[in-house]
Amino acid sequence: DAGVTQSPTHLIKTRGQQVTLRCSPKSGHDTVSWYQQALGQGPQFIFQYYEEEERQRGNFPDRFSGHQFPNYSSELNVNALLLGDSALYLCASSSQGNYGYTFGSGTRLTVV
Amino acid sequence: GNSVTQMEGPVTLSEEAFLTINCTYTATGYPSLFWYVQYPGEGLQLLLKATKADDKGSNKGFEATYRKETTSFHLEKGSVQVSDSAVYFCALRDSNYQLIWGAGTKLIIKP
Repeated sequence: DAGVTQSPTHLIKTRGQQVTLRCSPKSGHDTVSWYQQALGQGPQFIFQYYEEEERQRGNFPDRFSGHQFPNYSSELNVNALLLGDSALYLCASSSQGNYGYTFGSGTRLTVV
Repeated sequence: GNSVTQMEGPVTLSEEAFLTINCTYTATGYPSLFWYVQYPGEGLQLLLKATKADDKGSNKGFEATYRKETTSFHLEKGSVQVSDSAVYFCALRDSNYQLIWGAGTKLIIKP
């Protein structure tokens, strides 16, 4: 049983560029949450998707956007990249009404 | 707003020592509480959880008890191993289904 799959694992982008990160949730899960984890810090909640809609959003600018597809997979898009966007981006899947979150291994984004 | 505070690291212990990592929270209502572990180069793994006051979560020798009166959820293990070296995160799930995280505590176990 595959867990949460994220791609790519590593990415290097230049300031001002745009990036798309992808997440496939664990089988049976219908909710996807995205987190940003800066080096040495705890994760910060970006947003959560359920039924192809953004349900909740953390304190992130509109440059951060997302999408959920009918098969529950999700994308995180970041426009106009800044050096400060360099971080590990984590995807977590869950099932509505269930307390269990399964995390992927993350995508390490470096902005130069 | 909701927040989680955990003890700063790194915490360095010898193998077979007793471990405590403190975690306190501020939240409205009755959040669920979690401990996650992150091994080097890996994502976050759920270690244990508690969903109501006085619940005790346990897994792999680790334990934590949901103490509403002290708003705490301290992580303990009786005898640590080198393989327990990792970063440990305390988190709460609020009424909006968001996970609010502490800053993490790096644990180093020396043989």
